[in-house]
Amino acid sequence: GQQVMQIPQYQHVQEGEDFTTYCNSSTTLSNIQWYKQRPGGHPVFLIQLVKSGEVKKQKRLTFQFGEAKKNSSLHITATQTTDVGTYFCAGSGAGNNRKLIWGLGTSLAVNP
Amino acid sequence: GAVVSQHPSRVICKSGTSVKIECRSLDFQATTMFWYRQFPKKSLMLMATSNEGSKATYEQGVEKDKFLINHASLTLSTLTVTSAHPEDSSFYICSARDYWGGSSYNEQFFGPGTRLTVL
Repeated sequence: GQQVMQIPQYQHVQEGEDFTTYCNSSTTLSNIQWYKQRPGGHPVFLIQLVKSGEVKKQKRLTFQFGEAKKNSSLHITATQTTDVGTYFCAGSGAGNNRKLIWGLGTSLAVNP
Repeated sequence: GAVVSQHPSRVICKSGTSVKIECRSLDFQATTMFWYRQFPKKSLMLMATSNEGSKATYEQGVEKDKFLINHASLTLSTLTVTSAHPEDSSFYICSARDYWGGSSYNEQFFGPGTRLTVL
């Protein structure tokens, strides 16, 4: 079945360093979403990418959707302690199937 | 933004009892709600998709007779864990999709989760 792989599983960085998490789907996606879950909290929607090659920015966060719509990345520039949490990607299949297939998440720890 | 509530936030029960968890969309209508289970430091595991007015669609490996889902209205879905056992202890999270959502129609809004502990 359709799978979404996400790497790395864990990442420790020093505050101020950059961070990137990658998602790869076994099949072409109609869109991909990114969520952030703070420790002890619930996932919160960050963004949705729909177009091939799309790049979107939210302050220090840059999201990319691959040309083939099978991979995506989230890059954080100059991490801060507030960036701590787990970042999930979730891809939606093509056609009328809007079920999200979730990556396993990348847990980010930021040392002050 | 859209708000989803979940009740209770925590529940402790004895083995063999049933527990009902409610998920409500507070300021929007949700034709579809999702139920997830999350183990500590693990990813979300989709248990079932709940559509208003119809039977829930369960993921492979999820027992429909054990995890009863009812989606009686556009703002309420319930998950009942029947005859709970210690291995059912987990963090259960619901999410809802906004019926009228525009370009982000596929966005899911998550509830705060319910921590279930079965003794």
